[in-house]
Amino acid sequence: AQTVTQSQPEMSVQEAETVTLSCTYDTSENNYYLFWYKQPPSRQMILVIRQEAYKQQNATENRFSVNFQKAAKSFSLKISDSQLGDTAMYFCAFKSSFGSYQLTFGKGTKLSVIP
Amino acid sequence: DVKVTQSSRYLVKRTGEKVFLECVQDMDHENMFWYRQDPGLGLRLIYFSYDVKMKEKGDIPEGYSVSREKKERFSLILESASTNQTSMYLCASEGDRAQLDYEQYFGPGTRLTVT
Repeated sequence: AQTVTQSQPEMSVQEAETVTLSCTYDTSENNYYLFWYKQPPSRQMILVIRQEAYKQQNATENRFSVNFQKAAKSFSLKISDSQLGDTAMYFCAFKSSFGSYQLTFGKGTKLSVIP
Repeated sequence: DVKVTQSSRYLVKRTGEKVFLECVQDMDHENMFWYRQDPGLGLRLIYFSYDVKMKEKGDIPEGYSVSREKKERFSLILESASTNQTSMYLCASEGDRAQLDYEQYFGPGTRLTVT
């Protein structure tokens, strides 16, 4: 079974600075999908960014980018120019491409952006 | 935009009561999911459904059942609520697999307290 590990339960960053959230996963598969989800306080969980394992290029969405290291099974999220609205729980998630419906989540990292 | 709604944001029930949590999505998605979210444990899959009347157990199905009579609606049932089922419950639907859209779209969550 796949596992997803987020080793930082809580982090903080000054507004306008850059922060990196780490995620590692364990799988024997070669093709899969990785996601970062954001859950702001008392608000709905939304997708931040996704990465297909067969793509070598790291995904980028505006201020959010990933560092995908397939051999190391690492999938970190970098947030540049942090804003107060980035304060949230961030979850890393893994999805097999072999017909499985299940999304396996890490335990989350609580990020606080300090003004 | 995909919209996933849940019947209640907050719910308080007594031990032994039968509890229904309802989820509705408006995107004609085939796959729907129920998770529970607990601090320090992340999201854990309870049940999912890949078609009307079709369901599969997730990682923690004990004490729960589900119903999917219509494509847009997926219900989670606690047959006899217990205090250890006090939690945040999140519903999600999954994008169109034919379009390789594996994003899960989440509802706002129901915070259930069992006393």
